[in-house]
Amino acid sequence: NAGVTQTPKFQVLKTGQSMTLQCAQDMNHNSMYWYRQDPGMGLRLIYYSASEGTTDKGEVPNGYNVSRLNKREFSLRLESAAPSQTSVYFCASSGDAGYEQYFGPGTRLTVT
Amino acid sequence: EDQVTQSPEALRLQEGESSSLNCSYTVSGLRGLFWYRQDPGKGPEFLFTLYSAGEEKEKERLKATLTKKESFLHITAPKPEDSATYLCAVQVDSNYQLIWGAGTKLIIKP
Repeated sequence: NAGVTQTPKFQVLKTGQSMTLQCAQDMNHNSMYWYRQDPGMGLRLIYYSASEGTTDKGEVPNGYNVSRLNKREFSLRLESAAPSQTSVYFCASSGDAGYEQYFGPGTRLTVT
Repeated sequence: EDQVTQSPEALRLQEGESSSLNCSYTVSGLRGLFWYRQDPGKGPEFLFTLYSAGEEKEKERLKATLTKKESFLHITAPKPEDSATYLCAVQVDSNYQLIWGAGTKLIIKP
């Protein structure tokens, strides 16, 4: 039982490049989330998916897109990376929206 | 505006020295308050959920309590392995999103 997995673990991009962060969970959870974590700040929600087939914007969605591929997988895409997107990105899942969330190990992204 | 504030930002204790971390919140309606532990380079790990004032939850050396304005995470006789950043988050009524505090970094010296 792996819980929530994320790939890649580390990534360096140049300004303007694109990439997709992958997330998968094996807990049969309905809801999935993408956060970013920056020093001195709380976790900030980028997008979430309350259930398969739905996605909604969170607090900081600009510059990102998401896809809920199926119940297990939720990907985050940066179309044109900017230095302001340098951060640690976490994927999380929960049984339903409002219940405790379980987090992946994170992706450390640097945009130069 | 809904807001969550954690204090102190950092706390250094000797092994065995008990203390408390604070999470104060101002929200329109509390649905639940969550405590997480985060080790360096890892994702947050769920600890507790509290739903109503007066509720308490315990796990090993940790006890979380909730009032109408704040929550405390009490750490009794801590050990070096309790060193981590502790995060709290609040969910408000009819909103999927959690409002997160910035965390308290706890360091336990042997």
